[in-house]
Amino acid sequence: KQEVTQIPAALSVPEGENLVLNCSFTDSAIYNLQWFRQDPGKGLTSLLLIQSSQREQTSGRIYASLDKSSGRSTLYIAASQPGDSATYLCAVRPLTGTASKLTFGTGTRLQVTL
Amino acid sequence: SQTIHQWPATLVQPVGSPLSLECTVEGTSNPNLYWYRQAAGRGLQLLFYSVGIGQISSEVPQNLSASRPQDRQFILSSKKLLLSDSGFYLCAWSVSGVTEAFFGQGTRLTVV
Repeated sequence: KQEVTQIPAALSVPEGENLVLNCSFTDSAIYNLQWFRQDPGKGLTSLLLIQSSQREQTSGRIYASLDKSSGRSTLYIAASQPGDSATYLCAVRPLTGTASKLTFGTGTRLQVTL
Repeated sequence: SQTIHQWPATLVQPVGSPLSLECTVEGTSNPNLYWYRQAAGRGLQLLFYSVGIGQISSEVPQNLSASRPQDRQFILSSKKLLLSDSGFYLCAWSVSGVTEAFFGQGTRLTVV
């Protein structure tokens, strides 16, 4: 059974810092991995999708890497801003079986202070 | 562009009452549709998914059911709500089972 873990569970940093959020998964047989942002009481906003054949993806100040063999993905946010405050979730999609089924981590709650 | 609508945003229902949450997608045809539940302090759990009209797959046994009466409409229902049904319900869509998933704004359900 796939398990997804995100460390740290919560993070508070001053504005301007470069951030590193970690996601690990136990089964490396994944089709792709997706990073989301969730604001309090809101739905999920897709940030990046990384295919299993890829090692990285970039979108603006956000960069994500994927090391499928070791079961890890890392999300980097450059020059953090207060507007980046949210919960960040990673989710993996299996290579076989119910391909539609995303398995989510419990998220990293980020607060960027002035 | 594609958009997903989910309503209501919040709902307070007594135990034993029925439930109907609706989700619609615009700007795409034959999407894969999903219902997730997010409980406090836990990850999102997939409840149901659908690859076409009338085709529903259930991931976990529960007090809920889902229906897809139209191509871009997905409904989550219950005949009698339990306290344990409280949570944050999210609808999502994707082009296929392996492409990027997009989520609605969610419904906060509180069963009292």
